[in-house]
Amino acid sequence: AQSVSQHNHHVILSEAASLELGCNYSYGGTVNLFWYVQYPGQHLQLLLKYFSGDPLVKGIKGFEAEFIKSKFSFNLRKPSVQWSDTAEYFCAVNAGNTDKLIFGTGTRLQVFP
Amino acid sequence: GAVVSQHPSRVICKSGTSVKIECRSLDFQATTMFWYRQFPKQSLMLMATSNEGSKATYEQGVEKDKFLINHASLTLSTLTVTSAHPEDSSFYICSARGLPHNEQFFGPGTRLTVL
Repeated sequence: AQSVSQHNHHVILSEAASLELGCNYSYGGTVNLFWYVQYPGQHLQLLLKYFSGDPLVKGIKGFEAEFIKSKFSFNLRKPSVQWSDTAEYFCAVNAGNTDKLIFGTGTRLQVFP
Repeated sequence: GAVVSQHPSRVICKSGTSVKIECRSLDFQATTMFWYRQFPKQSLMLMATSNEGSKATYEQGVEKDKFLINHASLTLSTLTVTSAHPEDSSFYICSARGLPHNEQFFGPGTRLTVL
């Protein structure tokens, strides 16, 4: 069965620090990969997605993620975080032939000014 | 991006009653809608997938007679929690997908509390 693991459950950073959140998945076939963000009290929003092509994907608000097929990873990065990036971040995967999204357990990011 | 709404945003009910949650796609036609459940500090777990005009497909372990899903139109799906019990208390989130979009758009969620 497909699964997604996010190793960092809670990350605390100061503003301007660099961010990298890990995401690994287990599925041997073609996958589509997503990072979602959930700001406090708000609904899930798509940060970025990878379907095919350039494995380095750029998303909104300065976020990017790199798909490394050999490592089954899709880590999220941002070179300099802001206080407004405080949120819950979810990695998600769906196999290329289904609509179903499998979510990781999420990473809570707190950024202090 | 496309907009998905849910109603109500919060509901409190007594044990044994039924609760209906609506999910609407406001500016696109949702051929597929998904219902998720999110426990505190946990991830979203897919409960079921519904395609307009057909029966929903439930994930393993989800009771279809307890969580009734109807997707009667291209803009509306409903989730009815029948004979709710305290263990059904959770955050229920829907998402919708349809052309021209190739991704799911999420609603704001419904917080259900069963007393």
